[in-house]
Amino acid sequence: DTAVSQTPKYLVTQMGNDKSIKCEQNLGHDTMYWYKQDSKKFLKIMFSYNNKELIINETVPNRFSPKSPDKAHLNLHINSLELGDSAVYFCASSQDGGNGLSQPQHFGDGTRLSIL
Amino acid sequence: GQSLEQPSEVTAVEGAIVQINCTYQTSGFYGLSWYQQHDGGAPTFLSYNGLDGLEETGRFSSFLSRSDSYGYLLLQELQMKDSASYFCAVRDSGGATNKLIFGTGTLLAVQP
Repeated sequence: DTAVSQTPKYLVTQMGNDKSIKCEQNLGHDTMYWYKQDSKKFLKIMFSYNNKELIINETVPNRFSPKSPDKAHLNLHINSLELGDSAVYFCASSQDGGNGLSQPQHFGDGTRLSIL
Repeated sequence: GQSLEQPSEVTAVEGAIVQINCTYQTSGFYGLSWYQQHDGGAPTFLSYNGLDGLEETGRFSSFLSRSDSYGYLLLQELQMKDSASYFCAVRDSGGATNKLIFGTGTLLAVQP
């Protein structure tokens, strides 16, 4: 039973192309996230949705556009891919953080994006 | 700015005890978490400290001192499978965001 699943696992494409990554969680969580992990393993939040509403939007190029059709799904579309976009992209989910406590985040296995 | 500093690498032998430190400087603080990531894998949650003191979960313990902006993860009875990267993470705001700022990561190598 996969808790957070993202597809594809590997994505190799040419510079300038447009691509999408999909994420689904079956944990019943209200909040989902996209992270980018670079070659130095630095893990940085990009976006977060709570019940389909965008609540975190970090300084990310507007070529990146998240979409949440429902609270179990969060997709990431990237336009005009650049060499610097090469990284591992992780989707994650958690319960609401509204009670002030930090809820564990559950991560998918990652999508390894390589730009040629 | 916001930063979480960790040692980049730690090496230890099987059966030993190792401590991974984390010092943080963030605009807000709502708890310190630790995540483990094996090479090529996903980060997985290990522990959380919302208040000062020690939290123990099996072979792993985590400590927090909010006055010192400092925490650590203690791994006991090290096993080869503990070789991985370990990240501390601070939740820097309340409300529904649950936003985590991750540290630079510590690569732990356990040797036989």
